[in-house]
Amino acid sequence: RKEVEQDPGPFNVPEGATVAFNCTYSNSASQSFFWYRQDCRKEPKLLMSVYSSGNEDGRFTAQLNRASQYISLLIRDSKLSDSATYLCVVNLSGTYKYIFGTGTRLKVLA
Amino acid sequence: NAGVTQTPKFQVLKTGQSMTLQCAQDMNHEYMSWYRQDPGMGLRLIHYSVGAGITDQGEVPNGYNVSRSTTEDFPLRLLSAAPSQTSVYFCASSYKRGGVHEQYFGPGTRLTVT
Repeated sequence: RKEVEQDPGPFNVPEGATVAFNCTYSNSASQSFFWYRQDCRKEPKLLMSVYSSGNEDGRFTAQLNRASQYISLLIRDSKLSDSATYLCVVNLSGTYKYIFGTGTRLKVLA
Repeated sequence: NAGVTQTPKFQVLKTGQSMTLQCAQDMNHEYMSWYRQDPGMGLRLIHYSVGAGITDQGEVPNGYNVSRSTTEDFPLRLLSAAPSQTSVYFCASSYKRGGVHEQYFGPGTRLTVT
């Protein structure tokens, strides 16, 4: 089993739709969680850290469920510019080891 | 601030050649790391450094060396290139914010080994 698993997609959604991605992790020692965005042939860019109580940044909401070992990302009112691959990243407690998922591809359609 | 810079952007090597991928950051971040990204796989950690003079191995260190003589620079050396090292290489730096390290990536180096 992969340490961090994501549905590769693609998720094809119309503009204005709400879309959600899940990511599961296998190591219960995971401490910090992140969502990154990666455009085609570009570097990953930090979208948001994920906090235990959940957090929101504009149209983006991230949730953490430690009991079930998954994190989620909700995007409301999707824009064409949201089309990208979204990477789930987990950091193991007490280490500098960051485990990246393979990403979920989102296409927002006009 | 330029952020994290990497050179070259593209490189083609023949099997057995050596080269150094350059990475620099101007944000005074203590932590720097090198990843490789291959199709269908997540980014995998090659080596990392928690400060000048301190380096450690990541998940896939074989065939690569690093050094960190300054806070700003973290070069990655390929000792004897192999086709299996064909990949996209990303350098990242990070600082601790709110108890977590948020990583910032350079634009990447696309390496092909023939």
